[in-house]
Parts: sequence; C-alpha cells; structure tokens
Amino acid sequence: EAQVTQNPRYLITVTGKKLTVTCSQNMNHEYMSWYRQDPGLGLRQIYYSMNVEVTDKGDVPEGYKVSRKEKRNFPLILESPSPNQTSLYFCASSLIRGNQETQYFGPGTRLLVL
Amino acid sequence: AQTVTQSQPEMSVQEAETVTLSCTYDTSESDYYLFWYKQPPSRQMILVIRQEAYKQQNATENRFSVNFQKAAKSFSLKISDSQLGDAAMYFCACAYDSNYQLIWGAGTKLIIKP
Repeated sequence: EAQVTQNPRYLITVTGKKLTVTCSQNMNHEYMSWYRQDPGLGLRQIYYSMNVEVTDKGDVPEGYKVSRKEKRNFPLILESPSPNQTSLYFCASSLIRGNQETQYFGPGTRLLVL
Repeated sequence: AQTVTQSQPEMSVQEAETVTLSCTYDTSESDYYLFWYKQPPSRQMILVIRQEAYKQQNATENRFSVNFQKAAKSFSLKISDSQLGDAAMYFCACAYDSNYQLIWGAGTKLIIKP
C-alpha cells in the first residue's frame, strides 16, 4: 500500500531535550516536505526536499533541522525543543514537484513540549 | 505576497443538503494549481479535489465540485448531498510554478447536522 508513515504519532517531551520525528514514504517520491499545523493558521511549511541531499527552508524553519540521506526518509529534528514548537506536524511527499503534483500526507505527529 | 484566504471559520449544513465553502487567493502568477484538502477528526490530510488554473472547466469528483473564477481569484468548493462523514476541516491551498511550496488557507470547519 502506498503510504507516508510518521513516528511517533504522539510525543510529550521537555524543553531542551533533542527529539527526532521520522518520516518515510514507499512511493519513490522525489519531493518531501514537513508542515506544522496550528489553530487558525492552517499549515505552514518548515522544510522541503527536492531530492536526496537537497533541502531548503520553508516558511518557518527556525528551531528545526532535516536531512535527506535516502530518498524514502526525511526526518525532522528538533535539537532543543521549546514550548512554542508544540504543534501538529505533517510529513508529505509527491512524485516530482511539491506544487503541481498531489501531495500525500502522513497521519500526523502531535507534539507537546513542556 | 501570495496568500490564500478562507473567510468562513465554520459552516454548518443539514444532512443531504448542499453547502459551498469559499476560498480566495492572491497572486500575480499565471500558472498555478488549486487544491481542496479535507481533515477529518483523525487529523489526516486527504485530497478532495484539484484544479489546474489553465483549465477553464471546473473540476468535479463525485459529490464534490469547484467553482473556479480565475478573474475573481476565487475557488469555492461545493458539496452536494452532504453526508455525516463529510464533517471535517477543509483547507484550500494554492501551488505556484515559480516555487515549490503550497500556500494554505486557515481552514473552514464543516458541521453536518443529522
């Protein structure tokens, strides 16, 4: 089954404790992206990747890191989480480009930073 | 700046009736793509319908159709014969050829009354 998976689905952590949210897709998609969703703000893009070893900042990259060592994986790293990073996070992928092609979304990761 | 606006934070409709969700966007680009996504209580993002700006014909997917008014920069979603399973947040999004990002509206919460 074609899908985007994220882990963990729920995470409670404390300020400053490094964490990684994994994202994996099995569709051989080139484009992958991370969003955060906050009430009243819709989705905001954090980082995106056009292909392996190619990553770029989205609208709200501060406090986040990503890597794209393999085509299928695109982990989101929070080196020193802060309470303002409490949010719902989505990973998405698409075949060629993130705009023209339909994006496939993961199930979301709900993060609470205390 | 490119923006997408959903002016209705919440809409309600009686089951089996028709409802229209509004979306406007602002761009000077000539080539772009418009999307409606549904986010049910499970929080997953699901593509509902997609429209290419260069196509004059309005996209249709079963009970879902759009009214695309390019000159007015309007992209409304019509849901016919509303069902209880249609209850969700609906997000409008726009993607441009000049970059690789989707620009999202803040969302409209749709309530279906039985």
